[in-house]
Amino acid sequence: EAQVTQNPRYLITVTGKKLTVTCSQNMNHEYMSWYRQDPGLGLRQIYYSMNVEVTDKGDVPEGYKVSRKEKRNFPLILESPSPNQTSLYFCASSLRTGGHYGYTFGSGTRLTVV
Amino acid sequence: DAKTTQPNSMESNEEEPVHLPCNHSTISGTDYIHWYRQLPSQGPEYVIHGLTSNVNNRMASLAIAEDRKSSTLILHRATLRDAAVYYCILRDRDDKIIFGKGTRLHILP
Repeated sequence: EAQVTQNPRYLITVTGKKLTVTCSQNMNHEYMSWYRQDPGLGLRQIYYSMNVEVTDKGDVPEGYKVSRKEKRNFPLILESPSPNQTSLYFCASSLRTGGHYGYTFGSGTRLTVV
Repeated sequence: DAKTTQPNSMESNEEEPVHLPCNHSTISGTDYIHWYRQLPSQGPEYVIHGLTSNVNNRMASLAIAEDRKSSTLILHRATLRDAAVYYCILRDRDDKIIFGKGTRLHILP
């Protein structure tokens, strides 16, 4: 089944403890992206990647890092998480960049930083 | 700021058509109009997209105004399972996608 898989689904951590949320897709998609969703603010883009080794900032990149060493994986790294990074995170992918291609989203990772 | 504007919420009766509007007055010539929906406790799900012409698929229809400054997502026969938040977004070569707050669709049995 074609899908975007995020892990973990739920995570509670403490301030300052580095963590990684993984994202993997099995559709050979070139484009991948991370979003966070907060009540009243909708979905906001954190980082995106147009292909292997090509990444760029979205609207809210502060406090996050990403890497794209291979096509299928696009991990989101929080080097020193803070409580304001408590949120619902979604990874998405599409075959290529550009308006003609639709996104496939993962099921989400609910992160709580205490 | 979001480049699209949608009503915060709408209601419809089950088994009736639903028309969800979206305004995108600053759309550029190469922006595609995409619609996604998010069911409770799930990730957003692709619904439909188009550039200039109206589009149909098994889930919905997309009607695009002639000047492309607005569009309407049409669910032909709403069911309770269509209750969700519907997002209208613009996507171009520049992939800094902006999702607005969407329209929360309530379906009345």
